[in-house]
Amino acid sequence: DIVMTQTPLSLSVTPGQPASISCKSSQSLLHSDGKTYLYWYLQKPGQPPQLLIYEVSNRFSGVPDRFSGSGSGTDFTLKISRVEAEDVGVYYCMQSIQLGGWTFGQGTKVEIK
Amino acid sequence: EVQLVESGGGLVQPGGSLRLSCAASGFTFSSYWMSWVRQAPGKGLEWVANIKQDGSEKYYVDSVKGRFTISRDNAKNSLYLQMNSLRAEDTAVYYCASMAIDYWGQGTLVTVSS
Repeated sequence: DIVMTQTPLSLSVTPGQPASISCKSSQSLLHSDGKTYLYWYLQKPGQPPQLLIYEVSNRFSGVPDRFSGSGSGTDFTLKISRVEAEDVGVYYCMQSIQLGGWTFGQGTKVEIK
Repeated sequence: EVQLVESGGGLVQPGGSLRLSCAASGFTFSSYWMSWVRQAPGKGLEWVANIKQDGSEKYYVDSVKGRFTISRDNAKNSLYLQMNSLRAEDTAVYYCASMAIDYWGQGTLVTVSS
């Protein structure tokens, strides 16, 4: 199975400041169809996860433009340009390059200073 | 309004069985792959199983292969997870999801304990 490794595991950010989370996969997530199957989710306290970014860099519907994703192959990054109070929660990267064997990163807990 | 409502969770003894259900409404259920994702208390997310639109393809995480079975009934807009030979490590909130369109239920708690 593909192992997803996130760093850091926790982050304390001052409102208005940027934040960045790294996600590394143990194998390339570039599929033969040309797409890279890397996603970013945010799970707010007491809620199911919500999709932020799909296929590395595409913001899902309704996601504020302060969220951006980048990367390729095995190295990926989620950036929040200016953290807001509503951004607290746990961020997960996830790969789905194979129909069986989807895996999530360990999660990065973001809190506000 | 889109809704995914899970049911069937509860307390079960090790070695026991449970069947989870997920009732979908507000979208064309039969058009999408569906998934089960679980989250052990205080832990991260773990994908459990996927099923294709017509049920012809199913995939499972290694730890549940041979014990869990995912199924669907498109006529009833429902997704199921039959869980047999349950273990303590299966204790988790189980989410039903259509991940392609980011629809998730609120989850149902399964506790495996004697």
